[in-house]
Amino acid sequence: GAVVSQHPSRVICKSGTSVKIECRSLDFQATTMFWYRQFPKQSLMLMATSNEGSKATYEQGVEKDKFLINHASLTLSTLTVTSAHPEDSSFYICSARRTGGPLNTGELFFGEGSRLTVL
Amino acid sequence: QKEVEQNSGPLSVPEGAIASLNCTYSDRGSQSFFWYRQYSGKSPELIMSIYSNGDKEDGRFTAQLNKASQYVSLLIRDSQPSDSATYLCAVTQAAGNKLTFGGGTRVLVKP
Repeated sequence: GAVVSQHPSRVICKSGTSVKIECRSLDFQATTMFWYRQFPKQSLMLMATSNEGSKATYEQGVEKDKFLINHASLTLSTLTVTSAHPEDSSFYICSARRTGGPLNTGELFFGEGSRLTVL
Repeated sequence: QKEVEQNSGPLSVPEGAIASLNCTYSDRGSQSFFWYRQYSGKSPELIMSIYSNGDKEDGRFTAQLNKASQYVSLLIRDSQPSDSATYLCAVTQAAGNKLTFGGGTRVLVKP
């Protein structure tokens, strides 16, 4: 199956700092990537849809100025958590759909996830 | 009303038995349906996809879809302790290609 790599897998930072998480599709091109957040014992919540070469689409309630998304190439999307606070501590997971798949039927391939802890 | 609903469980089943998981969704125009398995601390992995009404079997897993009832289920036959995980139902919205997840059902398979 397709491989999506996410880095770092675990990061601890001080409150007020910024953290960048990378998501790469290793063996396929992805014009669209998705960023999810998962708090303990809860399901995945979609934060934003990352579109290659254009602005990301954010879900309601997600601050676009706090969660900066850049999708500069067909294989890389980055999520930057700016001025992180303890309440931003969560499991962040990216996913990608292979370009060229049938619309609305493509499978999503998930990265390994990044656990962010803000002290 | 949540867009995708699942019983949170835990669903406890003895080893070798059948685990039955249910999921309902609110968007009648939904096109694609997926079951993901997520172990604690890990990201989800796809185990089944289904796009048309009826049953779809893959090994010990069977997915069932009933679009009229807006209902999708997953059966796990001959359950093993390694099947203990949270199972997430996910639906692709008709209006776009983003995936919406249910809350997940925690399954515990006891030896």
